[in-house]
Amino acid sequence: EVQLVQSGAEVKKPGESLKISCQGSGYSFTTYWIGWVRQMPGKGLEWMAIIYPGDSDTRYSPSFQGQVTISADKSISTAYLQWSSLKASDTAMYYCVRHTNVYFDYWGQGTLVTVSS
Amino acid sequence: EIVLTQSPGTLSLSPGERATLSCRASQSVSSTYLAWYQQKPGQAPRLLIYGASSRATGIPDRFSGSGSGTDFTLTISRLEPEDFAVYYCQQYGSSPLFTFGQGTKLEIK
Repeated sequence: EVQLVQSGAEVKKPGESLKISCQGSGYSFTTYWIGWVRQMPGKGLEWMAIIYPGDSDTRYSPSFQGQVTISADKSISTAYLQWSSLKASDTAMYYCVRHTNVYFDYWGQGTLVTVSS
Repeated sequence: EIVLTQSPGTLSLSPGERATLSCRASQSVSSTYLAWYQQKPGQAPRLLIYGASSRATGIPDRFSGSGSGTDFTLTISRLEPEDFAVYYCQQYGSSPLFTFGQGTKLEIK
């Protein structure tokens, strides 16, 4: 069974750094792109970035380029999303997704990030 | 950038009725690259339809997708109580690689 298990909720202050994680299981982690989708409170879905764990090739949405960094450690089948300096506007639910070249077939349970002073 | 516009924003129907949700693209989209997702409150989205008309694994056959070019439709033939949720269309293309529609909320009348 394919599963994407994300790290737990985070509460941070503006300016702090953060790295959230997503561990894949039940499939060959290195042969599927894996990415992140943001959902701000009460809003829709926004694609942020994807990475191919096999060779660490990455793609970013122009809206998120330079704002976040996606990475992966294939030895532990885990993808990451990190911020160097959080803003209040980063408050959102973040979903990890497995990508099949065209669509997202599996989703993680979500990681709620709250940024507040 | 391809923009996806979903309509209506909110659809109020009763169980047993037929639901028709629309997704219109600002430029032509290959049917291969159009998907639909369902999101229930407090849950992650799940894939319903890919390739515009293919049901994902485990999706009941009351859900169907159709369309081509710039106009795509998700139809739920007879609404069950568990179908009331928010539905998003999504396309894969050029920069950005993936875009979502703003969603249609299907609510119980």
